[in-house]
Amino acid sequence: SQWGEENLQALSIQEGEDVTMNCSYKTYTTVVQWYRQKSGKGPALIILIRSNEREKRSGRLRATLDTSSQSSSLSITGTLATDTAVYFCATALQGGRALIFGTGTTVSVSP
Amino acid sequence: DAGVTQTPRHEVAEKGQTIILKCEPVSGHNDLFWYRQTKIQGLELLSYFRSKSLMEDGGAFKDRFKAEMLNSSFSTLKIQPTEPKDSAVYLCASSFGDTGQLYFGEGSKLTVL
Repeated sequence: SQWGEENLQALSIQEGEDVTMNCSYKTYTTVVQWYRQKSGKGPALIILIRSNEREKRSGRLRATLDTSSQSSSLSITGTLATDTAVYFCATALQGGRALIFGTGTTVSVSP
Repeated sequence: DAGVTQTPRHEVAEKGQTIILKCEPVSGHNDLFWYRQTKIQGLELLSYFRSKSLMEDGGAFKDRFKAEMLNSSFSTLKIQPTEPKDSAVYLCASSFGDTGQLYFGEGSKLTVL
């Protein structure tokens, strides 16, 4: 498998709290993508980080990438009930275009 | 712009039947992917097409699963014969350019009895 363990398989938090989820990958990659999947919908890209960026921000989202430890994290600050979803990290095998997805972290945010 | 369209959204089949799932990618996208999603296995790649040519197929799915791109704007996934273990959500995605970002449809939920 391309992916190692994803920490925090499922967690429940209150609106306004911050949350961080992590994943580690096994093979070389230059780009990690994070997708969010809401119930009954397909996954949608929320943030993409390249190996030369180390950190990327988009609104309330912050992604990090540590190529030395082959790990990536996604943080959401000031969560909203609408952030309730499953979050996946994904990357392509070297030379390929098909994405391999991690197992996902289920985040439930209560109002 | 229209996103990725998948039909049907729900399908119920008896064991041994043949089912065909359909996908229309985002207009202008030249990469098309089929994934299977289950709670246990997560998202698994079934097939990847680039400009209608099959580039990758998930080795474990070869015998009863066949994906085709009939033209640049239409793809099908045939499962023949179906088995109860095929019950899952089948997701189609398309992409364009070098970012590698995938645009997913809402999926077809298959239940095999």
